[in-house]
Amino acid sequence: QVQMIQSGAEVKKPGASVTVSCKTSGYTFTGHYIHWLRLAPGQGPEWMGWVNTYRGDTHYAPKFQGRVALSRDTSETTAYMELSSLTSDDTAVYFCARDLVEGQGALSNWFDAWGQGTLVTVSS
Amino acid sequence: DIQLTQSPAFLSPSIGDRVTVTCRASQDISRGLAWYQVKPGKAPKLLIYAASTLHTGVPLRFSGSGSGTDFTLTISSLQPEDFAIYFCHYSSGFFPITFGQGTRLEMK
Repeated sequence: QVQMIQSGAEVKKPGASVTVSCKTSGYTFTGHYIHWLRLAPGQGPEWMGWVNTYRGDTHYAPKFQGRVALSRDTSETTAYMELSSLTSDDTAVYFCARDLVEGQGALSNWFDAWGQGTLVTVSS
Repeated sequence: DIQLTQSPAFLSPSIGDRVTVTCRASQDISRGLAWYQVKPGKAPKLLIYAASTLHTGVPLRFSGSGSGTDFTLTISSLQPEDFAIYFCHYSSGFFPITFGQGTRLEMK
């Protein structure tokens, strides 16, 4: 079955960067876009961006443009999210999620499989 | 950007109740809405997409309806495993992806 296993919790100081990985299995990695989102307590989820796992191109939400970098390693069927210049406002659980539709150029922006989440805490 | 307003923020239904959650969009989004279920420490689950399409494997007691600006998620007969937070989600190629603030279903 489809699995998306994320790396473990992180504690970072303000100004630092964090990288979260998302190891996938159970499906053709390059057949689905991967999205990244975050969920902070008491708030709705925030979509951060997507990576086309076949071509490697990316698209970011305006709020995170310039501060987030998404990438993938097709040989490892793993996606990565790096967020820089962290502040306390970035404390949240970060998720990778698979796009619903299959196809190297197909994008629905519906998320049908999710990782378990990675807690990132930013504190001095 | 599209704003999504969910109501109510909290519900305390009983097992077997019919539960309705609404999501209102700040402008016409056609049928570009999905619903997710989120439980603490678990991966979120897609329930409904394109306003009314039930995702594979989701129990038939869940249904979605609406188009334009007003949408509804209905649980026809609440089960113990349905206590969770539910979010609506806007998806389109025209505006950034956004989510509602969530509706928490809590046991009485």
